[in-house]
Amino acid sequence: AQKVTQAQTEISVVEKEDVTLDCVYETRDTTYYLFWYKQPPSGELVFLIRRNSFDEQNEISGRYSWNFQKSTSSFNFTITASQVVDSAVYFCALSEVGSGNTGKLIFGQGTTLQVKP
Amino acid sequence: DTEVTQTPKHLVMGMTNKKSLKCEQHMGHRAMYWYKQKAKKPPELMFVYSYEKLSINESVPSRFSPECPNSSLLNLHLHALQPEDSALYLCASSHETGLAGVNEQFFGPGTRLTVL
Repeated sequence: AQKVTQAQTEISVVEKEDVTLDCVYETRDTTYYLFWYKQPPSGELVFLIRRNSFDEQNEISGRYSWNFQKSTSSFNFTITASQVVDSAVYFCALSEVGSGNTGKLIFGQGTTLQVKP
Repeated sequence: DTEVTQTPKHLVMGMTNKKSLKCEQHMGHRAMYWYKQKAKKPPELMFVYSYEKLSINESVPSRFSPECPNSSLLNLHLHALQPEDSALYLCASSHETGLAGVNEQFFGPGTRLTVL
């Protein structure tokens, strides 16, 4: 069965600290896709990154970076020099290919990040 | 245009009412999704449309009825809901799965539904 685990329910940091959000997944598929989404208090889920199972290169986008390790089935997300605007719920998700040319997302439980000024 | 819009933003309805939620995108996506999200929980998939045809129904009660009138619009018709159906309803769209694999979904801001 496919599963995503985000063991950290809530994290609180002070502005400018670095913070890492953990994501561990389970799948029997050899081809799969991993995603991170941000959900600020307004409610809209904002897409951050997509990674396929064949691409283990780490990625950096500004203050955001992602570490994909197939050997440990982890896809962790680090925010460098956190800011108050980073406060949100962050979801890690795994996709399986659904029917009709669509992808079905399996979400982790989410990690609530609070960045204090 | 890179956004998904949803109306209304908030909806309060009684258990005997009939109402509809609307979702629109103009990104040329041919896959559209309805999710339900309860407080402090991840989104739960309800329905998926691919090329205007229903491709996934996650055993959703018949009091929720989806409709995809064209490639840009997705509706969710509500009838005889229960108080436990109160939640944030999110619409999303994506390019269909193809040679590039499974594509990211873009979400709307949601409709916050309260059933009295």
